[in-house]
Amino acid sequence: KAGVTQTPRYLIKTRGQQVTLSCSPISGHRSVSWYQQTPGQGLQFLFEYFSETQRNKGNFPGRFSGRQFSNSRSEMNVSTLELGDSALYLCASSSGQGAREAFFGQGTRLTVV
Amino acid sequence: GQQLNQSPQSMFIQEGEDVSMNCTSSSIFNTWLWYKQDPGEGPVLLIALYKAGELTSNGRLTAQFGITRKDSFLNISASIPSDVGIYFCAGGGNTGTASKLTFGTGTRLQVTL
Repeated sequence: KAGVTQTPRYLIKTRGQQVTLSCSPISGHRSVSWYQQTPGQGLQFLFEYFSETQRNKGNFPGRFSGRQFSNSRSEMNVSTLELGDSALYLCASSSGQGAREAFFGQGTRLTVV
Repeated sequence: GQQLNQSPQSMFIQEGEDVSMNCTSSSIFNTWLWYKQDPGEGPVLLIALYKAGELTSNGRLTAQFGITRKDSFLNISASIPSDVGIYFCAGGGNTGTASKLTFGTGTRLQVTL
């Protein structure tokens, strides 16, 4: 079974631009969660999508948004990028039906200059 | 954002030694997960715990779900060089699912020959 796939692996963007990151969950999994990892704040929950609906949301500004498609693939968008958005963005996949385990992708390293 | 308290923050040990780390929270969790993260990669799930008092092993790794549901412990026996990395605990959300995890601050493990 293929694991969680995130694209791209690395990204460099300029302040003020926007960016879209992609995540393909494990086949059959319907829940996709997104996390931001920085040296200062550690791993922080952004939001979770299940069956194309946002089910949970963390404490991030509205510049951070996401969506999920009917095939469970998810995208995360960050608009008006700030230097502080530089981070490793991780996607986690779970079956979603009361599943209590989450499996992570390799992440997308975003650098904002 | 919230992070769980993990200790120690870092540790140097000799190959063959046993390692213990723990994670504490002010909130109750219904699930505790332990992950290992290598540089530039996503966290890899090591052990999942579902019930207070539960003790679960995965090879040389043993983890326990604290009775109070506010803490968890991870032990690594007979450490080897490939154990090097950062270990994170994660508490499952109020629903007990993996849809929203709260992570610990991490324990950096370094093994010397």
